[in-house]
Amino acid sequence: GAVVSQHPSRVICKSGTSVKIECRSLDFQATTMFWYRQFPKQSLMLMATSNEGSKATYEQGVEKDKFLINHASLTLSTLTVTSAHPEDSSFYICSARDLGPSNQPQHFGDGTRLSIL
Amino acid sequence: EDQVTQSPEALRLQEGESSSLNCSYTVSGLRGLFWYRQDPGKGPEFLFTLYSAGEEKEKERLKATLTKKESFLHITAPKPEDSATYLCAVQATTGFQKLVFGTGTRLLVSP
Repeated sequence: GAVVSQHPSRVICKSGTSVKIECRSLDFQATTMFWYRQFPKQSLMLMATSNEGSKATYEQGVEKDKFLINHASLTLSTLTVTSAHPEDSSFYICSARDLGPSNQPQHFGDGTRLSIL
Repeated sequence: EDQVTQSPEALRLQEGESSSLNCSYTVSGLRGLFWYRQDPGKGPEFLFTLYSAGEEKEKERLKATLTKKESFLHITAPKPEDSATYLCAVQATTGFQKLVFGTGTRLLVSP
């Protein structure tokens, strides 16, 4: 149980392109999903918290107009990197938490490797 | 500010050589401490949640313990398939469900 699917697994595109990443909880419902960014040999850094049916909460320093988040259902959240540039190249990972107490574990997707040329 | 420090940064073990990974944390109030395993190019895989000092959890060759300042992940008689990066994260009683991660311990178990 508690499977999170993330798609695509890898994207290579030109500078200026917008890229959409999908995160789905396959066998549970998630009112809250999370988007992280991870640089090589570094920790996961939370970018934003996505709540179903409401606006996402962004961490300090994360541009909400650059990283658009939509959480339209209890099983799907999307992250769109708008007008991506080489500095946006990174490993993006989503997670989802099952309904219930907020200290239940987050379950992670397998990440999306984004490379902007 | 909530912080998590993991040590060592990297650890090489021979198969069967038991050891422990450390996670030291400072947090305003602990809601939960989480251990994850991450393989290269993959997302973290959930291992354990610990909620209060003195608590212990076990799964196969892994055992996690918790004190008020740190957590240990004990690996007994490791196998090569235990090679991965082990991540520790804390969730504070404030901060709206946010997890603060350490930078992980890269474990390599040689046959």
